[in-house]
Amino acid sequence: NAGVTQTPKFRILKIGQSMTLQCTQDMNHNYMYWYRQDPGMGLKLIYYSVGAGITDKGEVPNGYNVSRSTTEDFPLRLELAAPSQTSVYFCASRSASSTDTQYFGPGTRLTVL
Amino acid sequence: EDKVVQSPLSLVVHEGDTVTLNCSYEVTNFRSLLWYKQEKKAPTFLFMLTSSGIEKKSGRLSSILDKKELFSILNITATQTGDSAVYLCAAGGTSYGKLTFGQGTILTVHP
Repeated sequence: NAGVTQTPKFRILKIGQSMTLQCTQDMNHNYMYWYRQDPGMGLKLIYYSVGAGITDKGEVPNGYNVSRSTTEDFPLRLELAAPSQTSVYFCASRSASSTDTQYFGPGTRLTVL
Repeated sequence: EDKVVQSPLSLVVHEGDTVTLNCSYEVTNFRSLLWYKQEKKAPTFLFMLTSSGIEKKSGRLSSILDKKELFSILNITATQTGDSAVYLCAAGGTSYGKLTFGQGTILTVHP
């Protein structure tokens, strides 16, 4: 199992550009999450999904959109990138039948200039 | 609003020292308290605690939860330079397994 994979690893965007951060898990987990981590801070939840076709906002959803068309994939879309979106983005997943333990992908470091 | 607060925010010790990291939480319908270690990449899972007073151990690391006082501690004995990392505490409620994270404690272990 590859676990949770994310692409790209790094990206630089100009203000106003858009992009999609990809997240895939091969553990057949129902629940998936997107977090952002700013320097020196903990993780803040952007969006989450409890299964294909079902998504909901987390703590900091503004400026982002998600979709969940399959169990495996949970892409995060940034529209009209702003410098405030410069951060490290982590995707995580967990099984609906297990504990709260979430397993994290390697992260995407995004810089908006 | 759910909240998790960790202390200290940073800690510098020498190899062989013992450290205690603190985590307090206020989470609606609390279910679990998790500790993660982050070394410049993705957080890796250390412990999950759901019951008060029961210590969980893994090698030199141990953790315990106090549900009455709403806090947890993570102990690391005989620290090594490889323990240098950010230690994240997170609390889970019953809402779809969402975790609320603390800001992390940066531990630096000098040789």
